[in-house]
Amino acid sequence: GENVEQHPSTLSVQEGDSAVIKCTYSDSASNYFPWYKQELGKRPQLIIDIRSNVGEKKDQRVAVTLNKTAKHFSLHITETQPEDSAVYFCAASELTGGGNKLTFGTGTQLKVEL
Amino acid sequence: DGGITQSPKYLFRKEGQNVTLSCEQNLNHDAMYWYRQDPGQGLRLIYYSQIVNDFQKGDIAEGYSVSREKKESFPLTVTSAQKNPTAFYLCASRLRGTAAAKNIQYFGAGTRLSVL
Repeated sequence: GENVEQHPSTLSVQEGDSAVIKCTYSDSASNYFPWYKQELGKRPQLIIDIRSNVGEKKDQRVAVTLNKTAKHFSLHITETQPEDSAVYFCAASELTGGGNKLTFGTGTQLKVEL
Repeated sequence: DGGITQSPKYLFRKEGQNVTLSCEQNLNHDAMYWYRQDPGQGLRLIYYSQIVNDFQKGDIAEGYSVSREKKESFPLTVTSAQKNPTAFYLCASRLRGTAAAKNIQYFGAGTRLSVL
C-alpha cells in the first residue's frame, strides 16, 4: 500500500517568512495530492491540491510543487501570518473514480511567531 | 460548515461496551469515510463506503463496524474488541468521479472518544 512521509514534524518561522513542508510517497500509481490545514480541535480543511499532470499549482500565498520522478511534493507558504499557525497534513491517493482512499502524512505543526 | 454533522462531540465508553458514532451529510455525496486521529499521527482510514449498502475496510478496521443503509448516513460502531479506542474520530465525504471538484474530501467536526 501507499506510504507517505512528512517532514518536518514541527516548524517555527517568523511572521513574514516563508515556510516549506515536504512529503514523499511510495506508490507510483498515486496521482492526487491534497494538503489539509487543521487548527487545534477543528476539522481538517483542504487548502490546496494537485494532480500528477501538473508540476506546480499556486493559490495566493500557498503553492504546491510535485516531482513525480522523485515521488515527492512540497507545500510552500509565503509571507506567513499568525493565522497560518496550525497542523498541516499532506496526503496521496490514486483516483480511481470510486475509492479515492487518502493516505496521510503524520503532520507538521507550524508556528508563526510575531 | 460543509454539511457534514458528527455527533456526539464527546463520547465516553466503558469497558466491554459498544458505542456508535454518528455521521450525517446533506451534500448528496456518494462516498463516505471514517478516519481515526491519534496525537502526533496522521489520519488513518478505518472504513469507507462508495455507495449505499456497500463498504470496504480501510487500514485499521479491526474492532470497528459500519453500515450504509442511507446515502446521507454512515455510522461507526466502536466495539469492545477495539482495545485502544481513545482517539479523535473524523468522518468525511465526497462526490464520486475523477473530475477535479469530485476529488475533495470534506470533513466533519469530529467526535472525541475516551475510555472510562
